[in-house]
Amino acid sequence: GQQVQQSPASLVLQEGENAELQCNFSSTATRLQWFYQRPGGSLVSLLSNPSGTKHTGRLTSTTVTKERRGSLHISSSQITDSGTYLCAIGSSGGSNAKLTFGKGTKLSVKS
Amino acid sequence: NAGVIQTPRHKVTGKGQEATLWCEPISGHSAVFWYRQTIVQGLEFLTYFRNQAPIDDSGMPKERFSAQMPNQSHSTLKIQSTQPQDSAVYLCASSFGSGQDTQYFGPGTRLLVL
Repeated sequence: GQQVQQSPASLVLQEGENAELQCNFSSTATRLQWFYQRPGGSLVSLLSNPSGTKHTGRLTSTTVTKERRGSLHISSSQITDSGTYLCAIGSSGGSNAKLTFGKGTKLSVKS
Repeated sequence: NAGVIQTPRHKVTGKGQEATLWCEPISGHSAVFWYRQTIVQGLEFLTYFRNQAPIDDSGMPKERFSAQMPNQSHSTLKIQSTQPQDSAVYLCASSFGSGQDTQYFGPGTRLLVL
């Protein structure tokens, strides 16, 4: 089945620095969706793009489907960006609606 | 739009008891998903419905777990004879259709089995 690897596992930044989060997957993907989660909080959908580049605010998601990788760029990080970022993949074939999640990147932004 | 609603938010059960978790999807969404989140395993897919019909239950444990969607406004996940290893956050999500549509998650039900 689909395997999703996220790196780094954790990241500490100074406020204002940029972050680059990576997501690699093992099988063909029909989409890649990024989520944000605070400790004890619910999942918030950030961006969903099956291929190419998509922007919203300070976030940029890039998916290179043929190379089975994606990335999330966070520019000018803020303390409130702290939390866990999860990458989820929708696979082709079978039930392509379900998502397979990585273990996440825990981001800490300090002043 | 209230988002996906899950009740209860927290549930504590004794080993061997039954637990029923409820999910109300976003109005107009035809697909409902159940996932489970633990520290060790992360987020895992359990099952999903489209237009109330069960489509994929490949992630459901073979015993003690069952899910239903009796109408378009709610789904239930039932765990019989709960065990300590069932302790987790159970998340429900809905999407407008299925396939490529964005999934929106509820706040989850935190289940603790003592």
